[in-house]
Amino acid sequence: ETGVTQTPRHLVMGMTNKKSLKCEQHLGHNAMYWYKQSAKKPLELMFVYNFKEQTENNSVPSRFSPECPNSSHLFLHLHTLQPEDSALYLCASSPDRHYGYTFGSGTRLTVV
Amino acid sequence: GENVEQHPSTLSVQEGDSAVIKCTYSDSASNYFPWYKQELGKRPQLIIDIRSNVGEKKDQRIAVTLNKTAKHFSLHITETQPEDSAVYFCAVRSGGGADGLTFGKGTHLIIQP
Repeated sequence: ETGVTQTPRHLVMGMTNKKSLKCEQHLGHNAMYWYKQSAKKPLELMFVYNFKEQTENNSVPSRFSPECPNSSHLFLHLHTLQPEDSALYLCASSPDRHYGYTFGSGTRLTVV
Repeated sequence: GENVEQHPSTLSVQEGDSAVIKCTYSDSASNYFPWYKQELGKRPQLIIDIRSNVGEKKDQRIAVTLNKTAKHFSLHITETQPEDSAVYFCAVRSGGGADGLTFGKGTHLIIQP
């Protein structure tokens, strides 16, 4: 375990469902990130939080809604997703923006 | 925004030989260049990184070189072993206040016994 925990590990949801992904880190890091990993595509940055404040939203559709209640927790709320949103969603954290990431194991999302 | 190109997409080498993976980037103000290794079904893990004020960094069998003028950096793995088989991703942090890393598409490294 690297210190970044994501739940659930797998999620299957219908296009009309609402679900949330959770990420938790106990590394004392101040920055947290959501990335999307699809087959044959690079890791795509979705959101960045620095000291609980959102500092980047990389043109992500509004059906993805992030929440960062404190520096240790990050959520991704999902609603009315599309099949093309099926992917591995990775959470990461870093001490601050000048350092590399520690990734979680990801949530494998399938939209049916 | 930043554009990161990674080559090759697949690299097959004989065990014991060296492997080199190259990335180019577009923003000359970029200042941080990490490399990640992702084994099948596992999370990406940071293996080495370099900052813009350094030209080369080495950690045992792994090294990274940076050419700021040409805007490219490379990962070098010597004396390759079967456990080096994985997908390797380069990443770049742009200058200008960007907080997130931009990743390359990845290189699938296959070590042939």
